[in-house]
Amino acid sequence: RKEVEQDPGPFNVPEGATVAFNCTYSNSASQSFFWYRQDCRKEPKLLMSVYSSGNEDGRFTAQLNRASQYISLLIRDSKLSDSATYLCVVKHSGYALNFGKGTSLLVTP
Amino acid sequence: NAGVTQTPKFQVLKTGQSMTLQCAQDMNHEYMSWYRQDPGMGLRLIHYSVGAGITDQGEVPNGYNVSRSTTEDFPLRLLSAAPSQTSVYFCASGPSPDTQYFGPGTRLTVL
Repeated sequence: RKEVEQDPGPFNVPEGATVAFNCTYSNSASQSFFWYRQDCRKEPKLLMSVYSSGNEDGRFTAQLNRASQYISLLIRDSKLSDSATYLCVVKHSGYALNFGKGTSLLVTP
Repeated sequence: NAGVTQTPKFQVLKTGQSMTLQCAQDMNHEYMSWYRQDPGMGLRLIHYSVGAGITDQGEVPNGYNVSRSTTEDFPLRLLSAAPSQTSVYFCASGPSPDTQYFGPGTRLTVL
């Protein structure tokens, strides 16, 4: 079983829509959680960290459910520029980041 | 600041050739790492370093060597290239393991 699992999508949504992605992780000892964004043929970039209490950054809201071992990302009022692949990332103790395969989002006019 | 730079951007090798992928950062970060990204596989950690002179293996280290003689540079060496090493290689650096800034990547094809 892969450590971090995501629905690959693609999610096709119209501009202005709200879309949510989920991610599950297998290691209950995981300590840190992140969402990265990766544009086509570009490097991954940190979108936001995910905290146990949940956190919001503008139109983006991230939630963590440790009991069920899943992480979510909610995007409100989708923009064309939100089209990208969203990577769920989990870290245990130590150094290595464990990446999911990503969820593809396409926002259409 | 240039951030994290990687050279070359593209490379084609023949099986058995060796080469070095360069990675440099100008942010004085202690942590640096190399990942490879393959279709349908996600990013996988090859090697990492927590400071000059200190390196360790990640999830997929076989066929690769690294060294960290300075804080700024973290080259990745392919000893004898194989078609299975065709991939996109990303270098990353950060002030801590939780904060990683990725370079633009090197697209490597091994024939």
